[in-house]
Amino acid sequence: NAGVTQTPKFQVLKTGQSMTLQCAQDMNHEYMSWYRQDPGMGLRLIHYSVGAGITDQGEVPNGYNVSRSTTEDFPLRLLSAAPSQTSVYFCASSKGAPGELFFGEGSRLTVL
Amino acid sequence: AQSVAQPEDQVNVAEGNPLTVKCTYSVSGNPYLFWYVQYPNRGLQFLLKYITGDNLVKGSYGFEAEFNKSQTSFHLKKPSALVSDSALYFCAVRDAGYSTLTFGKGTMLLVSP
Repeated sequence: NAGVTQTPKFQVLKTGQSMTLQCAQDMNHEYMSWYRQDPGMGLRLIHYSVGAGITDQGEVPNGYNVSRSTTEDFPLRLLSAAPSQTSVYFCASSKGAPGELFFGEGSRLTVL
Repeated sequence: AQSVAQPEDQVNVAEGNPLTVKCTYSVSGNPYLFWYVQYPNRGLQFLLKYITGDNLVKGSYGFEAEFNKSQTSFHLKKPSALVSDSALYFCAVRDAGYSTLTFGKGTMLLVSP
């Protein structure tokens, strides 16, 4: 099994540009989530989904959109990139309520 | 609300010595507690969890953690550290009634030969 797959692994954007970080899982997990990791800040939850068609905001949702049209995919959209969104982004999934999360390898985003 | 604190940014230990990485939590209901490990340039990997039952839980790679309800702590332990244990460790908590997992800021464990 591939597990949780994130693309791209690296991306450089200019301020104001938009982009989508892709996340796909092949484990038939209901729960999917996006975190960002910043030095000294740990992991902070951006958005999450408990099933197809259902999404909700986490701790730091501003500037990001998500959708969940299928069980497998949970893309994260940056509408107008800002330097404050420079970070490493992780997608994670679990069977049922979050606990034993399976993480992707991360996407490193730099906004100039 | 739920929160977790890891009071140490870094823990240094010599190979072969026991290690402890500290974690305290705050929830309004029953806590579900977790430890994860992150190696350089990788995603997080699940190590162990406490849901209910014995206060001492065992996990991957010889790690264990002790749940202490009165001290609201869930410290990660290992009897004999290996150089390969050097990594970033995260404690996480979920209140039984919540749909989100909250992580601590992480503790860097450095094991010297």
